Amino acid sequence: DAKTTQPTSMDCAEGRAANLPCNHSTISGNEYVYWYRQIHSQGPQYIIHGLKNNETNEMASLIITEDRKSSTLILPHATLRDTAVYYCIVRPIQGAQKLVFGQGTRLTINP
Amino acid sequence: SQTIHQWPATLVQPVGSPLSLECTVEGTSNPNLYWYRQAAGRGLQLLFYSVGIGQISSEVPQNLSASRPQDRQFILSSKKLLLSDSGFYLCAWSVPSRHYNEQFFGPGTRLTVL
Repeated sequence: DAKTTQPTSMDCAEGRAANLPCNHSTISGNEYVYWYRQIHSQGPQYIIHGLKNNETNEMASLIITEDRKSSTLILPHATLRDTAVYYCIVRPIQGAQKLVFGQGTRLTINP
Repeated sequence: SQTIHQWPATLVQPVGSPLSLECTVEGTSNPNLYWYRQAAGRGLQLLFYSVGIGQISSEVPQNLSASRPQDRQFILSSKKLLLSDSGFYLCAWSVPSRHYNEQFFGPGTRLTVL
């Protein structure tokens, strides 16, 4: 599976958009980009996934660059409850359905 | 709707004692099941996953084992716990027929080995 690189930590003001970057320069054509987050002492929560096109759901937007070597997760109006560790994961479309979690980005939303 | 249960929620065990953690899923059939561990201050590590009853794949060599005696039951065991087994253990499930992998995680078991 392709490796991902994320900043260790980020801060964002409450009410502002939080933009979390992820580099996946070795991604191949049959690999999805997934984002999960983990609030302290809880299990991870699925946020969004994408293959080539930008995606949006009720939680966030995912912007994937045209060469697919990087992506950005956008939380449009961050709240204090969005404070969590955010994981960017790359996984093939086919094959074993396992996710490999890296260290993620610790996002802190400040009041 | 689907729910996933784990128990116990917390556990304190002495070194060398056995371990049994249980995970059950409700509201779905033939799910893929996973066991993860998160050591203090570290990321999640996949330990085992299962695509069916009696089918277990191990991701890392260790003194832990997993079993799936029923379709929606996944058990993590150890005969003799080590200090390094301390951590937050998470069970997860996913729908095997989907081409993407949205995993749903349980509440976790926090294990402390003394």
